[in-house]
Amino acid sequence: DVKVTQSSRYLVKRTGEKVFLECVQDMDHENMFWYRQDPGLGLRLIYFSYDVKMKEKGDIPEGYSVSREKKERFSLILESASTNQTSMYLCASSPPWTGGYEQYFGPGTRLTVT
Amino acid sequence: GNSVTQMEGPVTLSEEAFLTINCTYTATGYPSLFWYVQYPGEGLQLLLKATKADDKGSNKGFEATYRKETTSFHLEKGSVQVSDSAVYFCALGATGGFKTIFGAGTRLFVKA
Repeated sequence: DVKVTQSSRYLVKRTGEKVFLECVQDMDHENMFWYRQDPGLGLRLIYFSYDVKMKEKGDIPEGYSVSREKKERFSLILESASTNQTSMYLCASSPPWTGGYEQYFGPGTRLTVT
Repeated sequence: GNSVTQMEGPVTLSEEAFLTINCTYTATGYPSLFWYVQYPGEGLQLLLKATKADDKGSNKGFEATYRKETTSFHLEKGSVQVSDSAVYFCALGATGGFKTIFGAGTRLFVKA
């Protein structure tokens, strides 16, 4: 079974803090994704990566950055957390033969910024 | 642009009832279509998919048919169980790769 793990299930941070969300997958997938999930809005793509050290902006990249130094690990960084970044963050990975569409998700990190 | 619209929830059904969750899409080209399910406290899981017109995806008793003429991909199940209570997301794989467009999700409650 594909396993995607995220470093924390719940996280509480203060406004202005730098926040790191880590994601690790064990299936050697090239493609990895970060989404945020908000009620009524579904999932919105923040960033994705189709290879080590490669990254592409998604639909809502403002206020976020990412790092992919190793194939199995994709990190989301909030440079200066703000209250409007309180959300559920989901990481996903995808094998290349699906065009990035069939995605395997981690359990999510619920981030609260106070 | 590409978009997915699915029926608002929550949907509340009794056990063994018939389920339909409507999903329509707007897309250029010939997208792939998906249903994902999110059980409480978990991430999303791929439930079923269809890659071309008239394809029927099926899994765990759920079915959806890719209807290009009506741009729809409605999810159906003949007899729901309490364990089907979850949030269901319709999704579209945009032509050209990598970007999956998700609907807002429909929460299903099944009562015993």
